[in-house]
Amino acid sequence: GENVEQHPSTLSVQEGDSAVIKCTYSDSASNYFPWYKQELGKRPQLIIDIRSNVGEKKDQRIAVTLNKTAKHFSLHITETQPEDSAVYFCAASMYSGGGADGLTFGKGTHLIIQP
Amino acid sequence: DVKVTQSSRYLVKRTGEKVFLECVQDMDHENMFWYRQDPGLGLRLIYFSYDVKMKEKGDIPEGYSVSREKKERFSLILESASTNQTSMYLCASSLRTRLGQPQHFGDGTRLSIL
Repeated sequence: GENVEQHPSTLSVQEGDSAVIKCTYSDSASNYFPWYKQELGKRPQLIIDIRSNVGEKKDQRIAVTLNKTAKHFSLHITETQPEDSAVYFCAASMYSGGGADGLTFGKGTHLIIQP
Repeated sequence: DVKVTQSSRYLVKRTGEKVFLECVQDMDHENMFWYRQDPGLGLRLIYFSYDVKMKEKGDIPEGYSVSREKKERFSLILESASTNQTSMYLCASSLRTRLGQPQHFGDGTRLSIL
């Protein structure tokens, strides 16, 4: 089955600086890669996703890049703010013409924004 | 806005009990999922369903079963609860299409098995 590795497990950056979280996946058939943010005691919330036919996607201060050849994808947060402090999870899945497929998650990155 | 509702926020049960966790979504999503979340392990898929009465095993199905009698409701069943099933359980739902679709999560049920 799919295996997703996520690094680093903890990331501390100064407010205003950029943060980068990296993930690798094992199954070359995976074609959908979402990123979730989870604040303490709350549900995971989707912040951005990318499909394998796209190399990069941006949404304001957040961007995701995908390198299918190397089987890795990264989350980039620019101009970090205190409210960006949370645990971030990457995930991978393979969708086909059928129905569902569950997500395989990385173990998470605890992002700490230092004032 | 998608709403995924889990019946209990906190639940305490005893070893050997049969435990039911309920999840309801209001967006007519075909797909529903159950994950457990443990510190340092991330989220792991237990079971999922892409249609009424259909179910598929995820990565860690042992000790669990599921039921999907109606499209909006997906139940997770611990047949005989054990202490290693103490965890946060998260339900999610998504549309069923050819392309990957975002999964929307409930608030979770923190289950303690004593």
